Amino acid sequence: QLQLQESGPGLVKPSETLSLTCTVSGGSISTGSYYWGWIRQPPGKGLEWIGSINHSGSTYYNPSLKSRVTMFRDTSNNQFSLKLSSVTAADTAVYYCARHAVMVIVATPLDYWGQGTLVTVSS
Amino acid sequence: DIQMTQSPSSLSASVGDRVTITCRASQGISNYLAWYQQKPGKVPKLLIYVASTLESGVPSRFSGSGSGTDFTLTINSLQPEDVATYYCQKYDSALLTFGGGTKVEIK
Repeated sequence: QLQLQESGPGLVKPSETLSLTCTVSGGSISTGSYYWGWIRQPPGKGLEWIGSINHSGSTYYNPSLKSRVTMFRDTSNNQFSLKLSSVTAADTAVYYCARHAVMVIVATPLDYWGQGTLVTVSS
Repeated sequence: DIQMTQSPSSLSASVGDRVTITCRASQGISNYLAWYQQKPGKVPKLLIYVASTLESGVPSRFSGSGSGTDFTLTINSLQPEDVATYYCQKYDSALLTFGGGTKVEIK
């Protein structure tokens, strides 16, 4: 059974960079050319797709966040990561990692999700 | 950018009722629409994709329909375990967008 687990600091100061890692178990991020994504959910609000990456490093980002987002993958450790720079209180959210349901293309639903990790931006 | 609008934003219904949630896209997205269920404090779960195909293991009381700009999620015979917020999501392009969500409660 594929499992995803987010990890990273729960508190980030304003203007700094948020860094999260998603560790995948029960399957390899290098198998099947799936895309792997990040989604966030501010407290009490809806879902926002941040971006996605595949095993070869091809990325797609939400244009609304593109200038601040970087994603990369570490296939040797079966992980992929998110960096979001210049954070503000508006970036406070639960951050989820997830797998896209269909191989090769990013334009698909998300079928496996991590449990999510709350990141608070505050001084 | 295509916007996804859900209605209503919340609803309250009795056990056994039929519940309908609507999702409207600001431009046509063919049938590239998914529905997710997020129970309180839990992770979103994929329910339906390509507008009407149930994900494996999803109870048959859930159904989806629509194409183009107008889509519907129906819960036939609402159950207590269906209390959740439901989100639609378009995936017609490499910009995935979610609707604002519909919170379903038991009356």
